[in-house]
Amino acid sequence: EAGVVQSPRYKIIEKKQPVAFWCNPISGHNTLYWYLQNLGQGPELLIRYENEEAVDDSQLPKDRFSAERLKGVDSTLKIQPAELGDSAVYLCASSLGTGSEQYFGPGTRLTVT
Amino acid sequence: TQLLEQSPQFLSIQEGENLTVYCNSSSVFSSLQWYRQEPGEGPVLLVTVVTGGEVKKLKRLTFQFGDARKDSSLHITAAQTGDTGLYLCAGEGSARQLTFGSGTQLTVLP
Repeated sequence: EAGVVQSPRYKIIEKKQPVAFWCNPISGHNTLYWYLQNLGQGPELLIRYENEEAVDDSQLPKDRFSAERLKGVDSTLKIQPAELGDSAVYLCASSLGTGSEQYFGPGTRLTVT
Repeated sequence: TQLLEQSPQFLSIQEGENLTVYCNSSSVFSSLQWYRQEPGEGPVLLVTVVTGGEVKKLKRLTFQFGDARKDSSLHITAAQTGDTGLYLCAGEGSARQLTFGSGTQLTVLP
């Protein structure tokens, strides 16, 4: 069975440009998470979806970040405009439900120059 | 905000040595998880401990949850080069969200 799929794996953009990341969770997983991970640090939750509903987006910088999971399956995370400090790995994870084991994708490494 | 501090931040040892990684917080967690992450990959769950004082063993890895459910330790016996990676603890709070620690980067030298 395929794991969590993320694309692209790497992205380099100039500051002030927009960027989008895509995540396809494990089939049947209702809960989807987006995390930000800085180098050598643990992941920090940005947003959690239960099906198509964002149930926890308190840590999402809403002035420049947005996310959607329109049909309750795959999801897109967008940054517009990107800043130098946004350089990090963006991880997507999914689980059967909140509190169930989370399975992580390989992440997208973003470099903003 | 619940914070988890891990120590040491970096650890470099020779193959065959033993080591212990610590995860501490002032907050109580309903459960605590340990993950290992390799370069270019996402974290992979190793174990979940739920009960205060609980000890779980996974081959050469021993995990312990503190009696007060505020801290945990990971002990590796006879480390191997394949144990190299970033070890992360994560506490599950009352809202069932995970708070990750800052990680311990372990390097096992041949």
